[in-house]
Amino acid sequence: DAGVIQSPRHEVTEMGQEVTLRCKPISGHDYLFWYRQTMMRGLELLIYFNNNVPIDDSGMPEDRFSAKMPNASFSTLKIQPSEPRDSAVYFCASSFGGRAHEQFFGPGTRLTVL
Amino acid sequence: GEDVEQSLFLSVREGDSSVINCTYTDSSSTYLYWYKQEPGAGLQLLTYIFSNMDMKQDQRLTVLLNKKDKHLSLRIADTQTGDSAIYFCAESSYGQNFVFGPGTRLSVLP
Repeated sequence: DAGVIQSPRHEVTEMGQEVTLRCKPISGHDYLFWYRQTMMRGLELLIYFNNNVPIDDSGMPEDRFSAKMPNASFSTLKIQPSEPRDSAVYFCASSFGGRAHEQFFGPGTRLTVL
Repeated sequence: GEDVEQSLFLSVREGDSSVINCTYTDSSSTYLYWYKQEPGAGLQLLTYIFSNMDMKQDQRLTVLLNKKDKHLSLRIADTQTGDSAIYFCAESSYGQNFVFGPGTRLSVLP
């Protein structure tokens, strides 16, 4: 298996633009997590899905952030409009059922908002 | 809310043992984890321990849990330069509500 795949790996955009980050979980995994990592705040859980359904989005910073999982093999995290303080590395992770706590992380998307 | 604390930096000599410490506040934690992050990469699960255990050993890694003091440690024996990375302590309740520590940057000196 290729592991968790994220795209793009790097994104540079200007303030006010829409940004879409993509994630393909490991095949067969039914949990998907989105995290944000910054120097100031460390690693924060934004939202997670189980069987494509959002379970806990309490970590989503504000309404500018939205996440979807239209099917078991694809998820997006969208920021609209983007702001410089959204600059961070965004990680997607997935896990499987009874071993849901063993998360496998993707390589991350480094987002820079100018 | 739940909190996980770690020291931010640790330097050791190659061949020595490294001990990375972590404290947590959530008494309902059921799993405690150690993740490793190398530069430019995502987090890699190294090992985890269930809260009813006090020790787990896996090759060069030894995890010690003091549940009374809510203290977790990771010992890396015979530390190598390839062990240089950031190590994150994390806790969860039954695989939910993950909380990560700030990470400890381990530098291995030749």
